[in-house]
Amino acid sequence: GAVVSQHPSWVICKSGTSVKIECRSLDFQATTMFWYRQFPKQSLMLMATSNEGSKATYEQGVEKDKFLINHASLTLSTLTVTSAHPEDSSFYICSAKLAGADTQYFGPGTRLTVL
Amino acid sequence: GNSVTQMEGPVTLSEEAFLTINCTYTATGYPSLFWYVQYPGEGLQLLLKATKADDKGSNKGFEATYRKETTSFHLEKGSVQVSDSAVYFCALSDQTGFQKLVFGTGTRLLVSP
Repeated sequence: GAVVSQHPSWVICKSGTSVKIECRSLDFQATTMFWYRQFPKQSLMLMATSNEGSKATYEQGVEKDKFLINHASLTLSTLTVTSAHPEDSSFYICSAKLAGADTQYFGPGTRLTVL
Repeated sequence: GNSVTQMEGPVTLSEEAFLTINCTYTATGYPSLFWYVQYPGEGLQLLLKATKADDKGSNKGFEATYRKETTSFHLEKGSVQVSDSAVYFCALSDQTGFQKLVFGTGTRLLVSP
């Protein structure tokens, strides 16, 4: 149980285009989902927290107009990187948890490369 | 604020050696503590957790004890295998709001045959 999937697993796009990454909780309802960014050989940096049906809460320094997060249902959250640039290239990981629980379950990650 | 400090890696061991990866934390209140493992090119997998002082989390031969007096949650395994090679992250869950995770920097473990 507690499986989280991400799609796509990797994506290559041209500079200036937008990319959408999906995060799904497959066997549980996730009231809260988190989006992280991980640079090579570094730890995870929390970008934003999203709750189903409400606006995402972004961490300091994360541009909300660039990284659009939608949590439309209890099993799906999406991250859209708008007008992507090479510096947005990174490994993006989502996680999900149940209301009141302290354990987050992580997706396998999406590697974004912007040319 | 809350923070987690892990020993720097890489940690290089031979198969069947004893493993310790140190983790200490700073937090207000009583956070839950976690160890996550990340294999190359993959997301994080929960390895074990402990929710209160003196709790011992264990899984797949790994264990860690929540030590409030030393604010530590060291990861140990008696006999490592090559397949244990990965990056290990210590984390705490803050007890406010969304219970965000605060991660340490990660420790890379390399096990050779």
